[in-house]
Amino acid sequence: AQSVTQLGSHVSVSEGALVLLRCNYSSSVPPYLFWYVQYPNQGLQLLLKYTTGATLVKGINGFEAEFKKSETSFHLTKPSAHMSDAAEYFCAVSDPSGTYKYIFGTGTRLKVLA
Amino acid sequence: ETGVTQTPRHLVMGMTNKKSLKCEQHLGHNAMYWYKQSAKKPLELMFVYSLEERVENNSVPSRFSPECPNSSHLFLHLHTLQPEDSALYLCASSHPPNGELFFGEGSRLTVL
Repeated sequence: AQSVTQLGSHVSVSEGALVLLRCNYSSSVPPYLFWYVQYPNQGLQLLLKYTTGATLVKGINGFEAEFKKSETSFHLTKPSAHMSDAAEYFCAVSDPSGTYKYIFGTGTRLKVLA
Repeated sequence: ETGVTQTPRHLVMGMTNKKSLKCEQHLGHNAMYWYKQSAKKPLELMFVYSLEERVENNSVPSRFSPECPNSSHLFLHLHTLQPEDSALYLCASSHPPNGELFFGEGSRLTVL
């Protein structure tokens, strides 16, 4: 069975500092991987995704993530945090074999300090 | 029109009321989903429809009744809900099944 673990339910960074949000997954087959962001009172918005090919994936708002198969990780990074990055971030996996199941992590709330 | 539209955005209902949540997608996707998001819990998949056929039903209580009249519209009919059903209900669509999910802004439900 697939599962997703996001280490740290709350992360605080200073404005301009590196953002690192961790995601590890468990899957019997190489999964598709996603990062979503959710702002207050809104739905989830896709930041980036990995399906196949290049393991370093660039997304919107300056975020990127690297798929590391050996570490079963898909950590999200941004070199310099901005106040507008304050939100909740969700990592998710899906099974490429064609089911409709997307497994989400429990989320990490990012706080950006001025 | 935005990709996935949900109405109403906010709903307050008593335990004996009957109400419906509506979702409409303008993306030409063939799969639509209902998720429940409660505080401090992972996102819970409730129902999935593919080409108007239900393909997933994750042991959801019968007081939640989905309806998918066509590939663009999805409803969630609510009746005799409990206070613990208060949550943000998110609709999403995708195409094909393992493309990314596109979410609506959610319907915030409060059951008194």
